[in-house]
Amino acid sequence: RKEVEQDPGPFNVPEGATVAFNCTYSNSASQSFFWYRQDCRKEPKLLMSVYSSGNEDGRFTAQLNRASQYISLLIRDSKLSDSATYLCVTNTGNQFYFGTGTSLTVIP
Amino acid sequence: EAQVTQNPRYLITVTGKKLTVTCSQNMNHEYMSWYRQDPGLGLRQIYYSMNVEVTDKGDVPEGYKVSRKEKRNFPLILESPSPNQTSLYFCASSRGAGYNEQFFGPGTRLTVL
Repeated sequence: RKEVEQDPGPFNVPEGATVAFNCTYSNSASQSFFWYRQDCRKEPKLLMSVYSSGNEDGRFTAQLNRASQYISLLIRDSKLSDSATYLCVTNTGNQFYFGTGTSLTVIP
Repeated sequence: EAQVTQNPRYLITVTGKKLTVTCSQNMNHEYMSWYRQDPGLGLRQIYYSMNVEVTDKGDVPEGYKVSRKEKRNFPLILESPSPNQTSLYFCASSRGAGYNEQFFGPGTRLTVL
């Protein structure tokens, strides 16, 4: 069983739409959680960490549900520049586990 | 500029010819890691290092070696590359594991014929 699972999409949404991605993780000992963004096979870059209380950064909101072992990312008012692949990441011990990514295309 | 550099960026080689991919960071990070990214499989951790002279296997270490003789460098060595090691490789560094941002290098696209 994969450590982290994501719906690969693709999600195609119009500009201004709200879109949500979910991710599940299998190891209840996972300690920290992140969303990374990856543009077209370039290097991943941190979008935001995900904390138990939930956190927001501008148009982006991340939630963590430890009981159900899932992580979510909500993007409001989508921009063309949000088009990318979003990677869900967990950390267990000293290792990091990446989901396969969810592809988002924002359409004009 | 804070960065992680990798070389080479692109490499085509043949089965069995030893190669090294270099990785260097200038942020004084203690934690460094190598990943490979394959379609449908995502990024998978090959090896990681918590500090100088400390390295550990990740999920897919077979066929790879690493060393951490200096804090800034973490080379990935393929002693006898095989076609199933054709992949996109990323090096990353961070202050530690846990809630620490990983900074990735630009990637090395390796093809083994």
